[in-house]
Amino acid sequence: SQQGEEDPQALSIQEGENATMNCSYKTSINNLQWYRQNSGRGLVHLILIRSNEREKHSGRLRVTLDTSKKSSSLLITASRAADTASYFCATDAWAQGGSEKLVFGKGTKLTVNP
Amino acid sequence: ETGVTQTPRHLVMGMTNKKSLKCEQHLGHNAMYWYKQSAKKPLELMFVYSLEERVENNSVPSRFSPECPNSSHLFLHLHTLQPEDSALYLCASSQDFEWHGELFFGEGSRLTVL
Repeated sequence: SQQGEEDPQALSIQEGENATMNCSYKTSINNLQWYRQNSGRGLVHLILIRSNEREKHSGRLRVTLDTSKKSSSLLITASRAADTASYFCATDAWAQGGSEKLVFGKGTKLTVNP
Repeated sequence: ETGVTQTPRHLVMGMTNKKSLKCEQHLGHNAMYWYKQSAKKPLELMFVYSLEERVENNSVPSRFSPECPNSSHLFLHLHTLQPEDSALYLCASSQDFEWHGELFFGEGSRLTVL
């Protein structure tokens, strides 16, 4: 099974509301990253949080990391229609065969209604 | 604009065709990656090149053939593809080959195999 899994799979909110997405992972990590993808486009890096950090902010984004629960959350405050996109967490993980790699989840599809 | 350019953006090919996807990065990075993104599946790592040498091949069928002539360019040669190979193919780069840093993605090449 995959390393990172986002929850919920889809989220629909009104403009101005906050959006919270969660990511759970299975093995210990060095860092966890969040990416955003507009429909049919490439992924854009949002924020990286290291395993020894508990919280990080970037503009309207707030990321938390709880290594004891192996989970992270991404909070987008005061959402805008332009925030509509899919959001992915990615963790560095040891894959089968002994090689380390960056593993992405299936993503949370966020829709912000005007 | 992420500094990673992929061409073509859209490609339709028959199962007997031979085509190539091109990726160019203008960031001075040393590592380049090919990912495959299919509907409802996590991003799948296909190949990794570091300083023009292939360092990872994720059990990808031989009908996909990568080429990295220099650290700025990466190709994915396609031949005898199957309809299930239809997907968004994403190129990414990073400063160095290591899984603890940010990846910069291109906009992707949407491939349809008829």
